[in-house]
Amino acid sequence: KAGVTQTPRYLIKTRGQQVTLSCSPISGHRSVSWYQQTPGQGLQFLFEYFSETQRNKGNFPGRFSGRQFSNSRSEMNVSTLELGDSALYLCASSLGGQGGVAATNEKLFFGSGTQLSVL
Amino acid sequence: QKEVEQNSGPLSVPEGAIASLNCTYSDRGSQSFFWYRQYSGKSPELIMFIYSNGDKEDGRFTAQLNKASQYVSLLIRDSQPSDSATYLCAGALYGGATNKLIFGTGTLLAVQP
Repeated sequence: KAGVTQTPRYLIKTRGQQVTLSCSPISGHRSVSWYQQTPGQGLQFLFEYFSETQRNKGNFPGRFSGRQFSNSRSEMNVSTLELGDSALYLCASSLGGQGGVAATNEKLFFGSGTQLSVL
Repeated sequence: QKEVEQNSGPLSVPEGAIASLNCTYSDRGSQSFFWYRQYSGKSPELIMFIYSNGDKEDGRFTAQLNKASQYVSLLIRDSQPSDSATYLCAGALYGGATNKLIFGTGTLLAVQP
């Protein structure tokens, strides 16, 4: 069974630009969640998508958005990039039980991530 | 105060010893907890989850939860050099306006051969 696929692996952008990241979940998984990982803040939850709808959301500004397609593939968009957006962006796929990522036994399978550098 | 706190380490233990990784959380509404292992340059992978007070064992790993003290721990018995990684504790809040999954910043474990 193929794992979670994230593209691209690396991205370099300049301030003010926008960026779109892609995530293909494990076959049969309906939930995709996104995370930002930085050395100082660790792993932070951005949002979760299930059945093409945003189900849960973390505490990030509206510049961070996402969507999910009917085949469960998901994209994350960051507009008006800032230097502080430089981070590793991870997506995770899961079956998507009630409660989503916060469900008691919801197992997340992470992709390899996209390393975004904002200059 | 961060919602989920971990000592960043590094925690150094000799091979064969018991490694004890600790995590505290501030939100009493947190209902379940997860331990993820992340090797350098790799993605996190789930080790265990726990939602009831007490101990939960899986092979060399034991997760402990004490909701009264708001404390979660992970014990690794017979530590091996291959266990050297960053261990992330995550707390899940379920049932409010939005469900949240909050990660600690991780503890770096180094097992010395």
